[in-house]
Amino acid sequence: GAVVSQHPSWVICKSGTSVKIECRSLDFQATTMFWYRQFPKQSLMLMATSNEGSKATYEQGVEKDKFLINHASLTLSTLTVTSAHPEDSSFYICSASKPLSETQYFGPGTRLLVL
Amino acid sequence: KQEVTQIPAALSVPEGENLVLNCSFTDSAIYNLQWFRQDPGKGLTSLLLIQSSQREQTSGRLNASLDKSSGRSTLYIAASQPGDSATYLCAVSYDTGNQFYFGTGTSLTVIP
Repeated sequence: GAVVSQHPSWVICKSGTSVKIECRSLDFQATTMFWYRQFPKQSLMLMATSNEGSKATYEQGVEKDKFLINHASLTLSTLTVTSAHPEDSSFYICSASKPLSETQYFGPGTRLLVL
Repeated sequence: KQEVTQIPAALSVPEGENLVLNCSFTDSAIYNLQWFRQDPGKGLTSLLLIQSSQREQTSGRLNASLDKSSGRSTLYIAASQPGDSATYLCAVSYDTGNQFYFGTGTSLTVIP
């Protein structure tokens, strides 16, 4: 199989704090991981593409200094929401792809609530 | 910009009915198309993956078709059950291992 985990599954934090979300591929090596965001009643929107050993590629309108992505190994990518504000409250989902794979494998998501 | 649209946005059917969910995409040069299920507050469960060279895929009561030239895909659910209630998302990719562009989703409710 191909399993992707995320930690934590949910987090509540105060405005102004930073939150780190981990995405791990448990049984395969992922050269590329993707971070998506889903606001209530909306579909998933890609935030950034994370490649192991290089800088992430951010989609237009996503602040790279606010959403820090680190893909330090072939099985782990982290998304850090810096100085979180209530408007950052959302459902964050990562996905990972195997080399030359035809599909992506999605994590269970992390729900972030910023008070 | 690639756009993926799903119709209807919401659907409510009595148990046992067959139903069709629709997905359309503006750029027909897709690599593959995938249907997902999302339960409230949960992540995504992959249902069916159709390669661009394929016309349909089947899994149990689910059948997904792809008409690449017209930019359309349908997900057919036979003999619907209350457990099928969820949001169904279609997503397209344009290269191997590349990002998915997600549709707006169809929220399905199957009434017992």
